[in-house]
Amino acid sequence: GAGVSQSPSNKVTEKGKDVELRCDPISGHTALYWYRQRLGQGLEFLIYFQGNSAPDKSGLPSDRFSAERTGESVSTLTIQRTQQEDSAVYLCASSDRDFSAGEQYFGPGTRLTVT
Amino acid sequence: AQSVTQLDSQVPVFEEAPVELRCNYSSSVSVYLFWYVQYPNQGLQLLLKYLSGSTLVKGINGFEAEFNKSQTSFHLRKPSVHISDTAEYFCAVSVDAGGTSYGKLTFGQGTILTVHP
Repeated sequence: GAGVSQSPSNKVTEKGKDVELRCDPISGHTALYWYRQRLGQGLEFLIYFQGNSAPDKSGLPSDRFSAERTGESVSTLTIQRTQQEDSAVYLCASSDRDFSAGEQYFGPGTRLTVT
Repeated sequence: AQSVTQLDSQVPVFEEAPVELRCNYSSSVSVYLFWYVQYPNQGLQLLLKYLSGSTLVKGINGFEAEFNKSQTSFHLRKPSVHISDTAEYFCAVSVDAGGTSYGKLTFGQGTILTVHP
């Protein structure tokens, strides 16, 4: 079946512009995560959605970052007034709530470059 | 809060040689442990995971890892590597939240395994 998809695959933007990144999770997966992978570093947790519960935003680095999720489907991550330090690969993952410590399925990522 | 340390940023090895990628974690509560692999230009893929039970877990592609609670380690091993194992490997932990589905992962910095012919 279809895996997690993300769009765009690459995004180059000028400093100060807003960008929107999209994630389509695997159908039926209720949990959705956003992570950031900066060059030479591990993945950093950004935000977590689970069903209709309030999202865990504890990993968002600043108030320029926000994310939404429509029901149990598409999620968008928005970065306002982008800065060069926002350049990274943004990864989305989804998992089935039935697996309490289960596998997260990752999308291919969006590579964001802020010039 | 939990943390993960991967002791080697890069590991070069010759084909058919054994390899060990080291991972140590720190947590005040029980954790679940994972190894993910990221092949060039691809997304992350689960290699194996430890939830409970036997401390030796086997994963895909001939990899295995051993959970050592006293040393807070979860090292990844393979007895004989192939060129195709060249990739970046990430160790990760999630907190055992008593059966809830919250599986936020804390990742290590990654280890780049390069297998030479």
